[in-house]
Amino acid sequence: EVQLVESGGGLVQPGGSLRLSCAASGFTFSNHWMTWVRRAPGKGLEWVAIIKQDARETYYADSVKGRFTVSRDNARNSLYLQMNSLRAEDTAVYSCARWIGVNIHGGSGFDSWGQGTLVTVSS
Amino acid sequence: EIVMTQSPATLSVSPGERATVSCRASQSAYIHLAWYQQKRGQAPRLLIYGASTRATGVPARFSGSGSETEFTLTISSLQSEDSAVYYCQQYNRWPLSFGGGTKVEIK
Repeated sequence: EVQLVESGGGLVQPGGSLRLSCAASGFTFSNHWMTWVRRAPGKGLEWVAIIKQDARETYYADSVKGRFTVSRDNARNSLYLQMNSLRAEDTAVYSCARWIGVNIHGGSGFDSWGQGTLVTVSS
Repeated sequence: EIVMTQSPATLSVSPGERATVSCRASQSAYIHLAWYQQKRGQAPRLLIYGASTRATGVPARFSGSGSETEFTLTISSLQSEDSAVYYCQQYNRWPLSFGGGTKVEIK
């Protein structure tokens, strides 16, 4: 069974940093693009960042570019999101998800999701 | 950036009736469009990819259509368990982007 479990969320002051983790199991982690998606309170889904299978390509939403860094450790079946210079508007539940397909443009969507970890940015 | 606009924001439909959700892209998304269902307290579920291909295990009452800038998700005969928020997502260009969501309620 595919499982994605996020951790590392919490309360942080504006300008602070936080590192989220996503532990994957039940599938060959190194075969998949992996992504972070967030949902702010009362808002819809917002795509945050994505990383290729071998970590050689990463892409970010404009709202987090230059502040967030996505990385992965295929030996540990783990995905990470380093969040720096946090703002109140970064408050959200952050979820990791798995992409189906070797490439994004020929792929088949995010088919497995974690339940998410809550990040609250407040003084 | 491709901006995805969904309509309506909220849809109230009687059981057994058809529900139609629209998604418009600000630039061509070709057919690189997926639909997700998110129920309260649950993770999103992939329904449709490639604009019209149902994901594994998705009931046949869910269908997707469209291409380029206009897409539609149709639930042919709404069931009580279909009450949820539905999102479209384009994967034709970076950055990836979701629509704002459509809440489908059972009347």
